[in-house]
Amino acid sequence: GENVEQHPSTLSVQEGDSAVIKCTYSDSASNYFPWYKQELGKGPQLIIDIRSNVGEKKDQRIAVTLNKTAKHFSLHITETQPEDSAVYFCAAIYWGKLQFGAGTQVVVTP
Amino acid sequence: GAVVSQHPSWVICKSGTSVKIECRSLDFQATTMFWYRQFPKQSLMLMATSNEGSKATYEQGVEKDKFLINHASLTLSTLTVTSAHPEDSSFYICSARDLVRGRAATYNEQFFGPGTRLTVL
Repeated sequence: GENVEQHPSTLSVQEGDSAVIKCTYSDSASNYFPWYKQELGKGPQLIIDIRSNVGEKKDQRIAVTLNKTAKHFSLHITETQPEDSAVYFCAAIYWGKLQFGAGTQVVVTP
Repeated sequence: GAVVSQHPSWVICKSGTSVKIECRSLDFQATTMFWYRQFPKQSLMLMATSNEGSKATYEQGVEKDKFLINHASLTLSTLTVTSAHPEDSSFYICSARDLVRGRAATYNEQFFGPGTRLTVL
């Protein structure tokens, strides 16, 4: 099956700085990699995704990169704001099912 | 668009009772819905995949007789936790795949509900 590892588990950044979260996956058959933001007591919200035929995707302050050879993908958040504070999960699709990473608690301090 | 709701948002019940959680796709039809469980400070763990009109497929280690899933229509799936015990206390989250957009082989997006907090006393 698919195994997704996510680092770091916690990330503290100053407002305005960048945040980077990295994930690795194990099965080369995975072809869809979404990132979710989860605020306390709420369901996960898709913030960006990337498919295996694309190396990079950007949406305003958020970007995701994918290295299929190395089987890793990363989330980049630039110009962080306090409202970016949340838990972020990466995931990989495997036979139609999402396998989630362990999550990263991001804290943006003013 | 692509809104998924869950009801109730939270529930407290006594040990031994059963609790039903509803998951609805509000503005799209969902051929497939997924049920996840999330313990505090942990990731989402897939419990089962629910397909409209057929039996749910459970992940290894999930008791199908304890977690009953019914996907009676293209917009509603229910999860019933039977004979609930304190260890079943958790955050239950559903997600749904869009029927129309999901026909594309490359389409994999799931839309998540807001979750249901279950506390068993």
